[in-house]
Amino acid sequence: GQQLNQSPQSMFIQEGEDVSMNCTSSSIFNTWLWYKQDPGEGPVLLIALYKAGELTSNGRLTAQFGITRKDSFLNISASIPSDVGIYFCAGHSTDSWGKLQFGAGTQVVVTP
Amino acid sequence: EAGVAQSPRYKIIEKRQSVAFWCNPISGHATLYWYQQILGQGPKLLIQFQNNGVVDDSQLPKDRFSAERLKGVDSTLKIQPAKLEDSAVYLCASSFWSREQYFGPGTRLTVT
Repeated sequence: GQQLNQSPQSMFIQEGEDVSMNCTSSSIFNTWLWYKQDPGEGPVLLIALYKAGELTSNGRLTAQFGITRKDSFLNISASIPSDVGIYFCAGHSTDSWGKLQFGAGTQVVVTP
Repeated sequence: EAGVAQSPRYKIIEKRQSVAFWCNPISGHATLYWYQQILGQGPKLLIQFQNNGVVDDSQLPKDRFSAERLKGVDSTLKIQPAKLEDSAVYLCASSFWSREQYFGPGTRLTVT
């Protein structure tokens, strides 16, 4: 079953606001991935992280690999309507290499 | 570069019927995965192939689900017989180094 705790479950924000979400685990992870899933589509990879402390940006998205290796964070700056969707964290723990574990997702709703 | 292809996109069947899904991974990706995604949850791994060999099928309900990847490229996932609880989105993903996984659009299965 899922070992990742992703929060918040949902967010209702206004266009232009920043968004933050995080993912924590009970195990040490050596990879963190962040995906976005639009309705009726498969998850799309946004950012991949491979080192503790790593901070990576992709446009208005920034993600960090936590120092403890048990958490990760995703920030979206200046949200726009197309940011609507479900964001999933995922990762490989050190004791289950190759098996990607997923969080339950954060649903983001952007209002004009 | 073409992404992961899946078909069909939608399927409606009655319980106890059989159904098959097809996946063609990104060219050159040796690792192929099938996931089940129930509404409101993150994807759950069913089976992982490395070339045409099974790496992990520990969460595949083998009494009714089967999957094959005979030539190490495309793959099929079959359910026979289907149950109501099999209603979900079935996602195929592929990767080159078993780290970053790229997903197809999924097949939405409804069992009535």
